[in-house]
Amino acid sequence: GAVVSQHPSWVICKSGTSVKIECRSLDFQATTMFWYRQFPKQSLMLMATSNEGSKATYEQGVEKDKFLINHASLTLSTLTVTSAHPEDSSFYICSARGGEGNQPQHFGDGTRLSIL
Amino acid sequence: GEDVEQSLFLSVREGDSSVINCTYTDSSSTYLYWYKQEPGAGLQLLTYIFSNMDMKQDQRLTVLLNKKDKHLSLRIADTQTGDSAIYFCAESKDDKIIFGKGTRLHILP
Repeated sequence: GAVVSQHPSWVICKSGTSVKIECRSLDFQATTMFWYRQFPKQSLMLMATSNEGSKATYEQGVEKDKFLINHASLTLSTLTVTSAHPEDSSFYICSARGGEGNQPQHFGDGTRLSIL
Repeated sequence: GEDVEQSLFLSVREGDSSVINCTYTDSSSTYLYWYKQEPGAGLQLLTYIFSNMDMKQDQRLTVLLNKKDKHLSLRIADTQTGDSAIYFCAESKDDKIIFGKGTRLHILP
């Protein structure tokens, strides 16, 4: 149980393009979803937390107009990187949590984004 | 200092036990976690322990928690080549999970 699917797993696109990444909880209802960014050989950096039906809460230093997050249902959240530039190239990972509080987060397999 | 600290690298011979150590700062953390990340993949929840427990065992994995010292360890018995990965220690804090930088486990033949 607790499967999280993330799509696409790898995307290469030109500078200036907007890219959408999907995160789905397949067998549970995710009241909260998280988006992380991971640089090579680094830990995960939390970008934002989203609760179903409400606006995402962004971490300090993360541009909300750059990284658009939508959590329209209990099983789907999307991250759109708008007008992507090479410095946005990274590994983006989503996670989902059912219930509240300190329940474990279950992670997707990540999306490797390369901007040319 | 960092909220969650762990050594960056561990090298173990195949068949031996691996012990990965971690220290954390928030004594109010309810849960402490161990996640595994294989190359190019997301994170896999290996195990977690509730803060009122001292030990949790699950097949080859043993988690020990010393709440007084805020020290958490993960022991992998009979380490196999498939255990080669990065292991992240994490603590729950407010509504979030705070990760350490990860320990890269290298298996020697």
